[in-house]
Amino acid sequence: GAVVSQHPSRVICKSGTSVKIECRSLDFQATTMFWYRQFPKKSLMLMATSNEGSKATYEQGVEKDKFLINHASLTLSTLTVTSAHPEDSSFYICSAWGGGGYTFGSGTRLTVV
Amino acid sequence: QQQVKQSPQSLIVQKGGISIINCAYENTAFDYFPWYQQFPGKGPALLIAIRPDVSEKKEGRFTISFNKSAKQFSLHIMDSQPGDSATYFCAASPNSGYALNFGKGTSLLVTP
Repeated sequence: GAVVSQHPSRVICKSGTSVKIECRSLDFQATTMFWYRQFPKKSLMLMATSNEGSKATYEQGVEKDKFLINHASLTLSTLTVTSAHPEDSSFYICSAWGGGGYTFGSGTRLTVV
Repeated sequence: QQQVKQSPQSLIVQKGGISIINCAYENTAFDYFPWYQQFPGKGPALLIAIRPDVSEKKEGRFTISFNKSAKQFSLHIMDSQPGDSATYFCAASPNSGYALNFGKGTSLLVTP
């Protein structure tokens, strides 16, 4: 079946630094990538949608300059959290559309100290 | 605004019992309704999905019932097992490739 590889699974960074999260579709072409944020015991909150080769579309309230999304190829999308602060600590999940369905990555636990 | 309303928030079922989770939606443009299972620290995994042209779909112990006129759909887990203990999310989207709208989730605990 379709697989999305998301890395890293966990990352701890210092406040003010940037962190990059990668999602790769291993056996299909991801024409659209969705990035979600999930707080403990909460639902998935859509942050942005990106199509290959186009600028991402951000949901209301999501700072596009803080959460940089790149979808340069049909198999790779990245989310960079810039100048991270403790309030950015969360679980980030990507979801790729392609191959006939939605496939989720395994998530990245970001802790900003 | 929550476009998909899910209940209950939590559910405790004995092993071998039936777990039932319900969802309701308002947007009649939705035409894809998946259910996801999520374990702590992991991404959601697709369990089963349905489109509005059928009223029921069964895959193993998992069944989706869909009521188009009532704009409701539900997940039934038959013969629930302790390994089914997880958080379940219903979702809906207006068309393939559009962002999924998730319910708030149901935390299921299946006791031995």
